[in-house]
Amino acid sequence: NAGVMQNPRHLVRRRGQEARLRCSPMKGHSHVYWYRQLPEEGLKFMVYLQKENIIDESGMPKERFSAEFPKEGPSILRIQQVVRGDSAAYFCASSPPGREQYFGPGTRLTVL
Amino acid sequence: TQLLEQSPQFLSIQEGENLTVYCNSSSVFSSLQWYRQEPGEGPVLLVTVVTGGEVKKLKRLTFQFGDARKDSSLHITAAQPGDTGLYLCAGDSGGSNYKLTFGKGTLLTVNP
Repeated sequence: NAGVMQNPRHLVRRRGQEARLRCSPMKGHSHVYWYRQLPEEGLKFMVYLQKENIIDESGMPKERFSAEFPKEGPSILRIQQVVRGDSAAYFCASSPPGREQYFGPGTRLTVL
Repeated sequence: TQLLEQSPQFLSIQEGENLTVYCNSSSVFSSLQWYRQEPGEGPVLLVTVVTGGEVKKLKRLTFQFGDARKDSSLHITAAQPGDTGLYLCAGDSGGSNYKLTFGKGTLLTVNP
């Protein structure tokens, strides 16, 4: 019974490039959440998605960040024109409706 | 903005000792989760508490939810080196979007 899968585990980008982070939820989970963990800070909610719908994106920066969860395939968190301040660990979680969230291992993004 | 304050921030103890860590807020949460996170990995769900005054036990770990559902504690009996990790509490304010608010965590080190 595979858990939440995230890839890549580590991603290095230069300033101005694009970063694409992928998340495959646990089998049977239809809800996906993205969180960001900055050094010395707790996990911060970014966005909550269901298949083909963004339910709550109140934690997403207004510019350069977008997320999707298509009908087929993994959820994608996309960061355009990355800056050094985007360096962080990005975690995806999934859940059945209204239940506890289970987290993936995270993607560590480093922007040079 | 709902905040969760965790204390202590750091805790270093010897194997066999008991300890308690705290999670406090001025806000009411419909449920509260405790997670443990190891370096380079995602948070792993330990327990969910829902009812004010609820106590849950998981082997040597005892979790309590405050009567007013604003605070929680985690007590570990006879700590072992394998208990080492970052302990995070996360509150769910309720509603359909299930957005978790995380504390910054307590970093526990159990020395052999």
